[in-house]
Amino acid sequence: DIQMTQSPSSLSASVGDRVTITCRASQSISSYLNWYQQKPGKAPKLLIYAASSLQSGVPSRFSGSGSGTDFTLTISSLQPEDFATFYCQQSYSTPYSFGQGTKLEIK
Amino acid sequence: QVTLRESGPALVKPTQTLTLTCTFSGFSLSTSGMCVSWIRQPPGKALEWLARIDWDDDKYYSTSLKTRLTISKDTSKNQVVLTMTNMDPVDTATFYCARFLTGDSSFDYWGQGILVTVSS
Repeated sequence: DIQMTQSPSSLSASVGDRVTITCRASQSISSYLNWYQQKPGKAPKLLIYAASSLQSGVPSRFSGSGSGTDFTLTISSLQPEDFATFYCQQSYSTPYSFGQGTKLEIK
Repeated sequence: QVTLRESGPALVKPTQTLTLTCTFSGFSLSTSGMCVSWIRQPPGKALEWLARIDWDDDKYYSTSLKTRLTISKDTSKNQVVLTMTNMDPVDTATFYCARFLTGDSSFDYWGQGILVTVSS
């Protein structure tokens, strides 16, 4: 099974900051990497699919990059509504797997 | 408009079998490339993928849970059912169903989730 490791586990930042979250796969997953945002008490929301494709309706301040084993999610200028927990997920092969999550908090 | 909704018991006893139903609209599970998965999330913890069923009835399971899980579909009712046997308190979680498209290879629509507590 493929293991996904995110860093950091938590992050404090201010409105307007540029933030980067990283995700590493235990083996190459090509570009089969997705990013989700989850707010408390809500279902996850797809932000980025195929490593760098922006899901329809998602603000352009979100971007993704990477291939193989190393990936990043970048938020170019944090907005108040962006504070949440973010998960990466590999869809290269079943069983699918998620990272442990990165909680983004207000500084 | 794509929607999914989970239904089932909020409370089950240890050793019982959990049966959850995902009722969806806005797409057909008989369309090539359409799939539905179940994902769970224990309180305060990370997401865990459980199972997937495809338009052609192919099925895939979590390695650690495959002996306890069964996924099935009723295309005419737009429903996907997940059963999990021998429930334990550590299985307490919010269970989500989500649509998966093989083209984009992502979970693009999710249900609201259902919290299932395992307790005697």
